[in-house]
Amino acid sequence: AQTVTQSQPEMSVQEAETVTLSCTYDTSENNYYLFWYKQPPSRQMILVIRQEAYKQQNATENRFSVNFQKAAKSFSLKISDSQLGDTAMYFCAFMKLFDSWGKLQFGAGTQVVVTP
Amino acid sequence: DAGVTQSPTHLIKTRGQQVTLRCSPKSGHDTVSWYQQALGQGPQFIFQYYEEEERQRGNFPDRFSGHQFPNYSSELNVNALLLGDSALYLCASSSDSSGNTIYFGEGSWLTVV
Repeated sequence: AQTVTQSQPEMSVQEAETVTLSCTYDTSENNYYLFWYKQPPSRQMILVIRQEAYKQQNATENRFSVNFQKAAKSFSLKISDSQLGDTAMYFCAFMKLFDSWGKLQFGAGTQVVVTP
Repeated sequence: DAGVTQSPTHLIKTRGQQVTLRCSPKSGHDTVSWYQQALGQGPQFIFQYYEEEERQRGNFPDRFSGHQFPNYSSELNVNALLLGDSALYLCASSSDSSGNTIYFGEGSWLTVV
């Protein structure tokens, strides 16, 4: 079974600064996807970024980028130029391919608070 | 283009009662998954429906059951409610042809008293 660990319960960052969230996972699979989801107070899960394990290039979406280290089973999220609207719970998630298509395994989450 | 819609938004039930939650997937999606998110925790996978059948199931008791209709919408049923069933229930939809793109609804808050 896969496990996803987010070791930082809460992170605080000032507007315009950069914050990095850590995520490690445990799996024996070689093909999988990793995700970062954002959950604001409205509670809707919003996809931030996705990484395919077979791609060595780190994914980037505007101010969000990841550092994917497959051998270390590490998948960190960097938020640059933080904005007040980034305040939310951030979840790292893992998905196997094939027989677990569409099934996400989530970490416990990291609360990000952006302060003026 | 409507996203994933869930109903009801909030509801309160008494221990021992039964509840039904509903979900309409995003247009073009044929797969629906349900998650339970207790306060302060990450979502836990309950089960997934595809072609009107349960395709995958997480570690949840048989009190949790579901259904998928021909229009791909889905229901989650929970029988004999326990206080511990109080949680946010999230519905997620995806396409079987591209299961790596998963969209979530806003959830249904269930409080069991």
